[in-house]
Amino acid sequence: EAQVTQNPRYLITVTGKKLTVTCSQNMNHEYMSWYRQDPGLGLRQIYYSMNVEVTDKGDVPEGYKVSRKEKRNFPLILESPSPNQTSLYFCASRTFGRGEETQYFGPGTRLLVL
Amino acid sequence: LAKTTQPISMDSYEGQEVNITCSHNNIATNDYITWYQQFPSQGPRFIIQGYKTKVTNEVASLFIPADRKSSTLSLPRVSLSDTAVYYCLVAMDTGRRALTFGSGTRLQVQP
Repeated sequence: EAQVTQNPRYLITVTGKKLTVTCSQNMNHEYMSWYRQDPGLGLRQIYYSMNVEVTDKGDVPEGYKVSRKEKRNFPLILESPSPNQTSLYFCASRTFGRGEETQYFGPGTRLLVL
Repeated sequence: LAKTTQPISMDSYEGQEVNITCSHNNIATNDYITWYQQFPSQGPRFIIQGYKTKVTNEVASLFIPADRKSSTLSLPRVSLSDTAVYYCLVAMDTGRRALTFGSGTRLQVQP
């Protein structure tokens, strides 16, 4: 089954304690990205990656890091989480091709930073 | 960045047809128009995608006029389970390959 998986699904942490949210896809997609979703603000892109070792900032990259060492994995790293990073996070992957792009989203990770 | 514009919310009743229009005045020649559905605390789910004229699948229809500056998602005979947020998305920032979601349209279906 084609899918994007994220772990953990729920996470409570404290300010300053480094954490990593993993994302994996089994569709051999080149493009992967991370979004955060906050009430009233819709989905905002944090980082994206067009292929292995190629990453770039989205609209709200501050406080986040990513890496893309393998095609299927795209972890999101919060080196020093702060309360304003409390949010619902989604990983997504998609195909390329002549403007026809369909994203597949993971189930989401709900993060609470105290 | 060019953006999409949709109504913030819509209300309907079970069995009615719902049409949600999205404005995308700066759509580029190679861009497709994609609609997603999102339920609370779940990731968005692809509904339908099109380039021009009309596209229909088992879930919805998508109408795109000749100038492509807008599109209309049509949901036939909605049910309570269609209550969700619907996002219109156009791949406008081709240089960055980033995608920008608008605020979406919150559809509430009443019995």
